[in-house]
This record gives sequence, C-alpha cells and structure tokens, in this order.
Amino acid sequence: GNSVTQMEGPVTLSEEAFLTINCTYTATGYPSLFWYVQYPGEGLQLLLKATKADDKGSNKGFEATYRKETTSFHLEKGSVQVSDSAVYFCALSRTGGGADGLTFGKGTHLIIQP
Amino acid sequence: DTGVSQDPRHKITKRGQNVTFRCDPISEHNRLYWYRQTLGQGPEFLTYFQNEAQLEKSRLLSDRFSAERPKGSFSTLEIQRTEQGDSAMYLCASREALAGGGEQFFGPGTRLTVL
Repeated sequence: GNSVTQMEGPVTLSEEAFLTINCTYTATGYPSLFWYVQYPGEGLQLLLKATKADDKGSNKGFEATYRKETTSFHLEKGSVQVSDSAVYFCALSRTGGGADGLTFGKGTHLIIQP
Repeated sequence: DTGVSQDPRHKITKRGQNVTFRCDPISEHNRLYWYRQTLGQGPEFLTYFQNEAQLEKSRLLSDRFSAERPKGSFSTLEIQRTEQGDSAMYLCASREALAGGGEQFFGPGTRLTVL
C-alpha cells in the first residue's frame, strides 16, 4: 500500500540556517505530492504541491521537487525564520480503484531559534 | 469563502457515551473527507463522500463509527460507545473533485477526549 516516511523531529535550527526535511514515499500509480504545515494552534494548511515527476512546488521560500527515480519529495528552504516554527507533513494522494484521500507522514516538528 | 468549519472544537465525554461531530465544507466542494490524528502522528484517512454518497471507508472506521452527508453539504461523524482509544483530533477536509492536483482544504478539527 501507499506510505510516506519523513525524518524524525524535532529539528532545531538557528535563524537564517538552511533547511532540509527529507520525505520518501511508496505508492502505486502516479500520486500527487504535498507538503502541509501546521502552525501552533492552527489547522493544516497546504504549503506546496507537485503533481508529476520533476515538478517543483514552491511557496513562501520553500521548495520541493518530485523525484520519481528516488521516490522523494524533500522540503528545502534557504534561510529559515522564527516564524517557520511549525510541524510539517509530507503527504501523497491515493489514486486508482476509486480510492481518494491523502496518506500522510508522521510529521516533523521544526523549531527555529533566534 | 469562509473555509471548512467544524463543530464543536473540543469535546470531553465519558467512556461509553455517544458523540457527534459536524463538518461544513467549502460550499462549492463536492468531496468531503474525515481523518483522525493522534498525538505525534500524521492524519489518517477514515472515509470520504462525493456529494451524498459515501464512496470509501477505511478499515480504521470500526462499526462504532458512522458518517453521513445527507444532502451533499454538511457531514456528521458519530462515534457510539466511545472508548479511551478514540481520543484524538478529528479532521474534516473538502475539495472540488474535478480540480486538478488533489489538494484538500482542512478545517480546524474537533479534539475528542474520552475519560
């Protein structure tokens, strides 16, 4: 079945550091890939998405590239801010045979220190 | 567009009681999803509707759980004879089925605590 594996947290960085959060997936077919973010006390928000191989999603300085050959969708940001502190979830769409909905990873808690 | 709303935001109940949660999706969205999220985990898919039809149910959705979307607009999720293991955040999401990419829009969730 489908599954998403992302790096364990918490990840603690200093402001302006480079961020990478790894995400790999197992899926049948050609899923779309997503990064969702959950800020403290708020609901899940879509951060970025990619719908086919080699697509790059980007938003708010974050980027991720859909790599079919390595089944990966790593999240990167060149210079993090304190306001980026949140929990980040990698997810994929379940497709085929009438299935729908998203399969999520366990989440990575990111802490940015000033 | 007011987004996806859920009610109540918090529910505390005693083991064995029944609870019902409501979700109001974004008005033009015909697909509606329920997920469960426990502490330290990502959301897990429970079920989804297209309009009023329930098209898929996860094996996580035991016989004590039932979901409805009677008029294809709002949805309810009922848990009968609650157990302590049902304590979790219950999330609702919606999307337009024909929209490309599969992005879902999430509500704030209902946090259930079973004592």
